[in-house]
Amino acid sequence: NAGVTQTPKFQVLKTGQSMTLQCAQDMNHEYMSWYRQDPGMGLRLIHYSVGAGITDQGEVPNGYNVSRSTTEDFPLRLLSAAPSQTSVYFCASSYNGGDEQYFGPGTRLTVT
Amino acid sequence: KNQVEQSPQSLIILEGKNCTLQCNYTVSPFSNLRWYKQDTGRGPVSLTIMTFSENTKSNRRYTATLDADTKQSSLHITASQLSDSASYICVVSAAEMIKAAGNKLTFGGGTRVLVKP
Repeated sequence: NAGVTQTPKFQVLKTGQSMTLQCAQDMNHEYMSWYRQDPGMGLRLIHYSVGAGITDQGEVPNGYNVSRSTTEDFPLRLLSAAPSQTSVYFCASSYNGGDEQYFGPGTRLTVT
Repeated sequence: KNQVEQSPQSLIILEGKNCTLQCNYTVSPFSNLRWYKQDTGRGPVSLTIMTFSENTKSNRRYTATLDADTKQSSLHITASQLSDSASYICVVSAAEMIKAAGNKLTFGGGTRVLVKP
């Protein structure tokens, strides 16, 4: 099993550009989520999904969109990148929301 | 509001020494508490889970404790090694109250541990 994979590992964007961070898992987990991690702030939940076709907002959803068309994939879209979105993004999956979270390796995003 | 507070924010210890990290929470209703280890540049990985009825659990040189009455947990690292240098994150899960409940996790800010030779 590959577990949770994320692409790309690094990305630099200019303000106003859009992009999609990819996340995939091969553990047949229903629950998937996106977090951002900033220095001194810990992990903050952006969006999550409890199954294909179902998504909901987390703590910091503004500026991000998600969709869940399959159990395996949960992409995160930045609509119009801003410097405040410079961060490290982690995707995670689990059997259900309260179980052990399996995290991907992260995507380091810089917006200039 | 559910909260998880960790202390200290960071600490430096010499290789071979012990250290203890603290986690205080106000999550209700409580389901479980996990400690994650996050190496630099990597995603967090679960070290141990504590449920309501468990007081102490060990995983190699890591020992976690839970006091559900005072809503406190600790993670003790014994005979630290250079590979223990990482951030340690306390995550508390709320019990499922309704079907298909969504987000149930509250994350602490983490403790950054640096082990020096």
